[in-house]
Amino acid sequence: DAKTTQPPSMDCAEGRAANLPCNHSTISGNEYVYWYRQIHSQGPQYIIHGLKNNETNEMASLIITEDRKSSTLILPHATLRDTAVYYCIVRVALGFGSGAGSYQLTFGKGTKLSVIP
Amino acid sequence: AAGVIQSPRHLIKEKRETATLKCYPIPRHDTVYWYQQGPGQDPQFLISFYEKMQSDKGSIPDRFSAQQFSDYHSELNMSSLELGDSALYFCASSLQGSGANVLTFGAGSRLTVL
Repeated sequence: DAKTTQPPSMDCAEGRAANLPCNHSTISGNEYVYWYRQIHSQGPQYIIHGLKNNETNEMASLIITEDRKSSTLILPHATLRDTAVYYCIVRVALGFGSGAGSYQLTFGKGTKLSVIP
Repeated sequence: AAGVIQSPRHLIKEKRETATLKCYPIPRHDTVYWYQQGPGQDPQFLISFYEKMQSDKGSIPDRFSAQQFSDYHSELNMSSLELGDSALYFCASSLQGSGANVLTFGAGSRLTVL
């Protein structure tokens, strides 16, 4: 799976949009971009994923560049409860792996987002 | 909606003892994953099971073993515990035929080895 690079930490004012970048310059055509977050000592929480197109759900928006080498997770109105470590993970899409079950997620260092009152 | 259930939530053991963690996946999910997260570390993949067969293996120590049962729940067995095994252990589940195969994580089991 392609490796990702994220800034180690970011601050965001409460109520403002949080824009978290991720570089995945070696991504392959059959790999998805996933975003998870982990609030202190809780289980990682799925946020959003995308392949080529921009995606939006009730939690966030995911903007993927046309060349797919980078992406940005956008939390439109950050709250104090959004303070967490955010992980950008690239993983092969179903059907392209080495076999059934080869779809575990590899967590990198992530970005520690601090939402400031 | 039903989530991934892990038990126990907290466990305290002595060195050289044995511990067993249990994971109940989301109904209809066929794949279970185990992760270990040490203090200040990121989650590290240990092992996964698909349809009751081991499907992928990460940095799981030889002292650890796991299996997935006919009802799809999974157990992680840890023997000869060491101080360094103190960590959060997360279980996740997914449905293989679901396109992007999103993993859903449980709340974790905190193991403390004294």
